[in-house]
Amino acid sequence: SAVISQKPSRDICQRGTSLTIQCQVDSQVTMMFWYRQQPGQSLTLIATANQGSEATYESGFVIDKFPISRPNLTFSTLTVSNMSPEDSSIYLCSVAPPAYNEQFFGPGTRLTVL
Amino acid sequence: GENVEQHPSTLSVQEGDSAVIKCTYSDSASNYFPWYKQELGKRPQLIIDIRSNVGEKKDQRIAVTLNKTAKHFSLHITETQPEDSAVYFCAASDGGFQKLVFGTGTRLLVSP
Repeated sequence: SAVISQKPSRDICQRGTSLTIQCQVDSQVTMMFWYRQQPGQSLTLIATANQGSEATYESGFVIDKFPISRPNLTFSTLTVSNMSPEDSSIYLCSVAPPAYNEQFFGPGTRLTVL
Repeated sequence: GENVEQHPSTLSVQEGDSAVIKCTYSDSASNYFPWYKQELGKRPQLIIDIRSNVGEKKDQRIAVTLNKTAKHFSLHITETQPEDSAVYFCAASDGGFQKLVFGTGTRLLVSP
């Protein structure tokens, strides 16, 4: 299976600040996905990150709030900007490597905003 | 866009019983339907999936059925064990195993 790591694993932040989450994969992938999982809830896709182009955001998510970088085929970052307590969630990255017929998830970043 | 509904939200069974979780989807273009298991504090992990050209798929105690006409698919777990206790999510995609839309989740509790 694909090996995915995320940093940080958890953080506690003050409202109004920003946090950048890193996602590293052990193989080259065309697309990387960022999901949000609010406490006790399901997973919601935030955006799809393609290397060499702008990320594609889902309805309800905007680039100013969740800027994404994708500098190469194994790495991506998601920034949660100007945070409020409503941003407290688990943020997960995922990939679907061409060698595998499934989507794998990273361990997640648990964010608490005070 | 795609919308996936999942029922029930919670399911309690005795060890050895069967458990069934049902999902419906709205987009007839969806062609890939995975099921993920998420244990407390862990990442979601794929347990079984099915594509639109197949009606049923089994893997040991787990099976998934798909009814394209009715746009619903179900997860069946037989001979449940306490270690099956987790939250189960169904999902649907019209782009293979890429962009997934998840159901709301089912918390399964298997009592010894």
